Amino acid sequence: GENVEQHPSTLSVQEGDSAVIKCTYSDSASNYFPWYKQELGKGPQLIIDIRSNVGEKKDQRIAVTLNKTAKHFSLHITETQPEDSAVYFCAASIWDSGYSTLTFGKGTMLLVSP
Amino acid sequence: GAGVSQSPSNKVTEKGKDVELRCDPISGHTALYWYRQSLGQGLEFLIYFQGNSAPDKSGLPSDRFSAERTGGSVSTLTIQRTQQEDSAVYLCASSFGTSGGQETQYFGPGTRLLVL
Repeated sequence: GENVEQHPSTLSVQEGDSAVIKCTYSDSASNYFPWYKQELGKGPQLIIDIRSNVGEKKDQRIAVTLNKTAKHFSLHITETQPEDSAVYFCAASIWDSGYSTLTFGKGTMLLVSP
Repeated sequence: GAGVSQSPSNKVTEKGKDVELRCDPISGHTALYWYRQSLGQGLEFLIYFQGNSAPDKSGLPSDRFSAERTGGSVSTLTIQRTQQEDSAVYLCASSFGTSGGQETQYFGPGTRLLVL
């Protein structure tokens, strides 16, 4: 089955700096890659996703890039703010038999210091 | 509108007891998912429902775990004869179900289960 590796496990930045979180996946058939943000005591929330026919996607301060050849994708957050502090999860999914399920990485705890 | 709700929010039980965890998905969402999140770990997929049927039960860790969904809405995850290693946060998510899982999943706040 699919395996998703995520790095780093923790990331500390100063407010205003950029943050980058990287994930690799094992199954070249994976074709959907969402990123979720989880704040303390809450369930994860989708922040951005990308499909395998696209190399990059941006939404204001966040962007995701996908390299299918290398089987890795990254989350980029620019101009970080304290409210960006949370745990971020990447995931990958394969479309199979009419449905797909997500395989998540182990998460990155992002700490943004004022 | 109302999001995904889960109950109870916290559950403490003794080893060997059975527990039931409930999930109320967003109205109109046909797809429902259960995940388990252990301390410092990612989200471990347990089971996926499309309507009342479960095309993918591959994530259930043992036969002590079962889940059902009735009326295409509420779902219950049951853990029989709980063990200490079952302690975790159990998360439920729902989605429209029109993209076979490759769409936004809306998560509930989770049930924190502690088995003593």
